[in-house]
Amino acid sequence: EAQVTQNPRYLITVTGKKLTVTCSQNMNHEYMSWYRQDPGLGLRQIYYSMNVEVTDKGDVPEGYKVSRKEKRNFPLILESPSPNQTSLYFCASSPAASGRDTQYFGPGTRLTVL
Amino acid sequence: RKEVEQDPGPFNVPEGATVAFNCTYSNSASQSFFWYRQDCRKEPKLLMSVYSSGNEDGRFTAQLNRASQYISLLIRDSKLSDSATYLCVVLDSGYSTLTFGKGTMLLVSP
Repeated sequence: EAQVTQNPRYLITVTGKKLTVTCSQNMNHEYMSWYRQDPGLGLRQIYYSMNVEVTDKGDVPEGYKVSRKEKRNFPLILESPSPNQTSLYFCASSPAASGRDTQYFGPGTRLTVL
Repeated sequence: RKEVEQDPGPFNVPEGATVAFNCTYSNSASQSFFWYRQDCRKEPKLLMSVYSSGNEDGRFTAQLNRASQYISLLIRDSKLSDSATYLCVVLDSGYSTLTFGKGTMLLVSP
């Protein structure tokens, strides 16, 4: 089944404890991105990647890191999480090496930082 | 700063009603436009792309007015299953970053 998977789906952690949210797609898509969704603010793009080893900042990259060592995986790393990073996170992938195609979203990761 | 503005919601309509959502964007060089649908606590899913000539998919019609930087979505004969949040999405001129509106919630009642 063609899909985007994220793990974990739910995570409660404490301030300063490094964490990684994994994202994987099995559709051979070129473009992958991370978003956070907060009440009243909508979806905001954190980072995106147009191809392997090519990543770039979105609108809200502060406090996050990403890597794209292989096409299928695009992990989101929080080196030192803070309470303002409590949010619902979505990973997405898209066939073309740009944002012009349909974005296929993962099921989301709900993160709480205490 | 890139901005995408949508009608505040929620829109409460009875089954069978016609409802229209509006969206404006600030970057005149934006290249592509989309409507996504998001059910409560679920991931967004593409509803339809928006083309300059306007496009229709069943009960849904999308329009784009580049001169006014305005996008619309019309839903005819609303169904209970149309209840969701509708997100207006704009792709920048570099074809790289996507900006989402905050969404408009639609509630269709029997």
